[in-house]
Amino acid sequence: EVQLVESGGGLVQPGRSLKLSCLASGFTFSNYGMNWIRQAPGKGLEWVASISSSSSYTYSVDTVKGRFTISRDNAKNTLYLQMTSLRSEDTASYYCARSDNNLDYWGQGVMVTVSS
Amino acid sequence: DVVMTQTPVSMSVSLGGQVSISCRSSQSLVHSNGNTYLSWYIQKPSQSPQLLIYKVSNRFSGVSDRFSGSGSGTDFTLKISRVEPDDLGVYYCGQSTQYPLTFGSGTKLEI
Repeated sequence: EVQLVESGGGLVQPGRSLKLSCLASGFTFSNYGMNWIRQAPGKGLEWVASISSSSSYTYSVDTVKGRFTISRDNAKNTLYLQMTSLRSEDTASYYCARSDNNLDYWGQGVMVTVSS
Repeated sequence: DVVMTQTPVSMSVSLGGQVSISCRSSQSLVHSNGNTYLSWYIQKPSQSPQLLIYKVSNRFSGVSDRFSGSGSGTDFTLKISRVEPDDLGVYYCGQSTQYPLTFGSGTKLEI
């Protein structure tokens, strides 16, 4: 069974940093691209970043470029999202999702609240 | 960026009835490899999104045949027949043909 479990969320002050993790199981992690998608409270889905299976390629939405970094450790079956210079508008639930030319499996999400 | 426009924003349906949700993209979603990467997701209350349909019309593993997707180019439709209580939630279309990946704003289905 494919499982994606996010962790690392919480309350953080504006301008500070936070690192999210997504532990994958039930599939060969190193064979799949991975993604982070977020959802602000009461809002829709917003893609944040993607990384290829071997980390050769990364992509991110313009609003987080230069602030967020997606990475992965295939030996640990773990996806990361390093978030710096956090802003109030980054407040959201963050989901990791597996890529198979679509987003076929999603984690349960982790909440990030940016507030003083 | 590809803008995904979903209609309606919300709809109410009777159990056993049928609904259609429309999704239009601002650009063709046909990839250079010939595939069209348009997917449909459902987010049930207090849950994470789940994949229903991929590449326009392919049902994901375990998805009921009451769900069907159709369309091409820039116009796509999700149909749900014989609506059941478990179908309530917010439906999103999404494209993964090009970066940035983008989603429609969602259609809330109320029973």
